[in-house]
Amino acid sequence: DIVMTQSPDSLAVSLGERATINCKSSQSVLYNSNNKNYLAWYQQKPGQTPKLLIYWASTREFGVPDRFSGSGSGTDFNLTISSLQAEDVAVYYCQQYYSTPYTFGQGTKLEIK
Amino acid sequence: QVQLKASGPRLVRPSETLSLTCTVSGGSISDYYWSWIRRSPGKGLEWIGYISYSGSSNYNPSLKRRATISVDTSQSQFSLKLTSLTAADTAVYYCARDLNYGGNSLGWLDPWGQGTLVTVSS
Repeated sequence: DIVMTQSPDSLAVSLGERATINCKSSQSVLYNSNNKNYLAWYQQKPGQTPKLLIYWASTREFGVPDRFSGSGSGTDFNLTISSLQAEDVAVYYCQQYYSTPYTFGQGTKLEIK
Repeated sequence: QVQLKASGPRLVRPSETLSLTCTVSGGSISDYYWSWIRRSPGKGLEWIGYISYSGSSNYNPSLKRRATISVDTSQSQFSLKLTSLTAADTAVYYCARDLNYGGNSLGWLDPWGQGTLVTVSS
């Protein structure tokens, strides 16, 4: 199985500041044949279901604010929120879909400082 | 807009079988893959498995063949059976849609249904 490790486990950022969450995979999730990274990011707000934010490591899902961006390739990825808003308080998860079993990071809890 | 809703018992006894059903509304169950995922305090989010609208399935080996997922396209439902339950199976169970990419599961999950908390206890 591909192990996904997120850092940090929790993060407190001031409103309007940048927040960055890292996700590392135990093996590359980049398919050389199509040059795509099989990596997604989800947001789970308190009391809600996980919501897809980003797929192919950097493609924003329709309707996701452009302050959310994904970057990275191979085994090292970041989710960045450029200017934190109060509604961004949530737990964020990365997920690899390069191979089954699909696996998730342990989650990063983002709070307001 | 497609919506998913999981239903089933909230309390199940150890060694028994859990049966959950996910009802899909607002869209077709055809041409997609459908997954079950759970979130437990000890293991975080764990993908259980998926089934296609045509019935092909794939499971997480960590469940040691205790999971079976089935689909009923006429009812726009898919179901999970998990046997030989232990306390470690206590979790919030989610159902979610997976895309069909050239006849295979693509792997990212959207949307997710509201989770249902299942407690395994005597």
